[in-house]
Amino acid sequence: EVQLVESGGGLVQPGGSLRLSCAASKFTFSDYTMAWVRQAPGKGLEWVSVISNNGGIRHYADSVKGRFTISRDNSKNTLSLQMDSLRAEDTAVYYCAKGAITATRHFDYWGQGTLVTVSS
Amino acid sequence: EIVLTQSPATLSLSPGERATLSCRASQSVDNYLAWYQQKPGQSPRLLIYGASNRATDIPARFSGSGSGTDFTLTISSLDPEDFAVYYCQQRTDWPLTFGGGTKVEIK
Repeated sequence: EVQLVESGGGLVQPGGSLRLSCAASKFTFSDYTMAWVRQAPGKGLEWVSVISNNGGIRHYADSVKGRFTISRDNSKNTLSLQMDSLRAEDTAVYYCAKGAITATRHFDYWGQGTLVTVSS
Repeated sequence: EIVLTQSPATLSLSPGERATLSCRASQSVDNYLAWYQQKPGQSPRLLIYGASNRATDIPARFSGSGSGTDFTLTISSLDPEDFAVYYCQQRTDWPLTFGGGTKVEIK
C-alpha cells in the first residue's frame, strides 16, 4: 500500500519560514506527479503546488507564488515544500498527494497531513 | 480560474437512501473532474476520476456522471460509513480548483 508521511509542520511567526517534507514509499516515486494541498481549519481543500515526475515542471497557486517552492529528490523518494514569508492565512493542514497514473492532476493517495500554524 | 460550485451545501438523508450531489463548473472542464470523500479527522480519498471512473477499491454504489460544466456524484444506497464531506476537483486548467464541498449528514 502506498505510504506518504508528511513532517515539518509547527508554529511559526508571521514572516517566518518552514520546510515541509513528505516521505514516499511502496511505489515508484520517480514515475508520478506529486502535489501539496492544504486545508485551513474548518474549511475546504485548496491546491497549493504541483511538480512533475522529473521535477521539470512546477505550478503554484497564486496565493503562494513567489513565497513557496516545491521540490523533489527522486533518489530519496522525498517531496518538499519550502515556505517563506508566511502569513496568518497560510495556517492549515498541509497534505502531500500522489498523482493518479491515468489522470496526473487528480490525486489517488494522500498523506495524513501536517499542521502549520502561523501566529505571533 | 475555473470555479466549481457544489450543491447542496448539506444533504440530510437516512441510511439506505439515494444521494445525489452536484458540481457545476464556471467553464467547460471536459470530463477532467474528480470526486473525493473526506471524513472528520481523515485525509481525502479519491472516489471518481475522469468524471465517471471509479478509483481502486471504491464500491459500486458510487457513480459519477456528466461532462462539460455539469457533474453528478450519486451514491445509490447510503451506507453508514458514507456520511462525510464530498469535494469535486477539476484538472483542466491552472490553477487546479476544488469545489466548496457537500456535507452528507444523517437525517
